[in-house]
Amino acid sequence: AQSVTQPDIHITVSEGASLELRCNYSYGATPYLFWYVQSPGQGLQLLLKYFSGDTLVQGIKGFEAEFKRSQSSFNLRKPSVHWSDAAEYFCAVYGSSNTGKLIFGQGTTLQVKP
Amino acid sequence: DAGITQSPRHKVTETGTPVTLRCHQTENHRYMYWYRQDPGHGLRLIHYSYGVKDTDKGEVSDGYSVSRSKTEDFLLTLESATSSQTSVYFCAMGQGNEQFFGPGTRLTVL
Repeated sequence: AQSVTQPDIHITVSEGASLELRCNYSYGATPYLFWYVQSPGQGLQLLLKYFSGDTLVQGIKGFEAEFKRSQSSFNLRKPSVHWSDAAEYFCAVYGSSNTGKLIFGQGTTLQVKP
Repeated sequence: DAGITQSPRHKVTETGTPVTLRCHQTENHRYMYWYRQDPGHGLRLIHYSYGVKDTDKGEVSDGYSVSRSKTEDFLLTLESATSSQTSVYFCAMGQGNEQFFGPGTRLTVL
């Protein structure tokens, strides 16, 4: 069965430091992968997505993610974190070819220290 | 996303009462979804719809029903609310491989 694991429930980084959020997936075929961000009290916003092609994908707000098939990973990175990046981040995999259903990881909460 | 709204945004109800949450979209998307969000679980799919009157169950559908009589509206009903259904509910619309989420409804069942 398809699944997504985000090993880190909570991460704290200093403002200006680099960030990497981990995501591992289990999926039999070539996965479609997504990263969403949720600010407190808000809905989910799509940061970036990977469908095929270049394994390094660029997203909004300066985020990027790298798909590594050999490691079944799709880690999210940002070179310099801003205080406004404090939020919850969700990795997701497209779980079905016909229905568009997404399977989400448990989420990682990012805290940014001044 | 401005093209998808949910109502109400907050609701407090009592155990055993029926509750209906509404999702409304203006983008004419074929697919719509209902998720619930709980700490430590991320978002889990309750039900989804692939067209008017066409719906199917997700992974946590027990105790929930849905209806879609128009493309723009997708209703989620808790037939008899229980405390375990206290959660934040998100609706999403999708076309192809991308979903856009509503602002959420915070439901508390006392």
